[in-house]
Amino acid sequence: QQPVQSPQAVILREGEDAVINCSSSKALYSVHWYRQKHGEAPVFLMILLKGGEQKGHEKISASFNEKKQQSSLYLTASQLSYSGTYFCGAPNGGGYQKVTFGTGTKLQVIP
Amino acid sequence: DSGVTQTPKHLITATGQRVTLRCSPRSGDLSVYWYQQSLDQGLQFLIQYYNGEERAKGNILERFSAQQFPDLHSELNLSSLELGDSALYFCASSVQKDPGTGDSSGNTIYFGEGSWLTVV
Repeated sequence: QQPVQSPQAVILREGEDAVINCSSSKALYSVHWYRQKHGEAPVFLMILLKGGEQKGHEKISASFNEKKQQSSLYLTASQLSYSGTYFCGAPNGGGYQKVTFGTGTKLQVIP
Repeated sequence: DSGVTQTPKHLITATGQRVTLRCSPRSGDLSVYWYQQSLDQGLQFLIQYYNGEERAKGNILERFSAQQFPDLHSELNLSSLELGDSALYFCASSVQKDPGTGDSSGNTIYFGEGSWLTVV
């Protein structure tokens, strides 16, 4: 079963902040975050490997709560270039790394 | 440029036909994944190969099959095509450590540009 993301869609004005949540019904061994522009390939943002880990730089960061089987992606002072669909990915942790992607969050940043 | 190459980029074919999508992973990557993305939908995992062997299977239809060759390139074969098969098909690759040596969940997955399949 794929991870559930919330919100499904969000519209921001430039400079506003957003939080995208990813929740799994199964144990999360690690979390991947990707951004996809319409019709393009998903682009890697970051991987969180340990519970409690926080990662990121400047305006895009993420946290991983292993116990709650959740991860959150934080976008601060959003820019037009942040627009796209964000996916979290959950490896199956079996060593073969079958990655199941979440339901996706469409983010639109407007001037 | 992720280093993952997919061909063809666009394909239009009729119902009932068969097509083959090709993928060349990044140099050195042993693991290849196939994903299907229908219009405005999420990424549905189809199948994964590691060094020539099938390692994980998702919701892949029986009409679909895949293989990874000794040179590590992979092909996804779609047969008896239906209108609903129209989608963007992504290939992705990752380094992936030998599963026998431990967890590889830290490996980044790199996506190709995708193959747009339209069935008419």
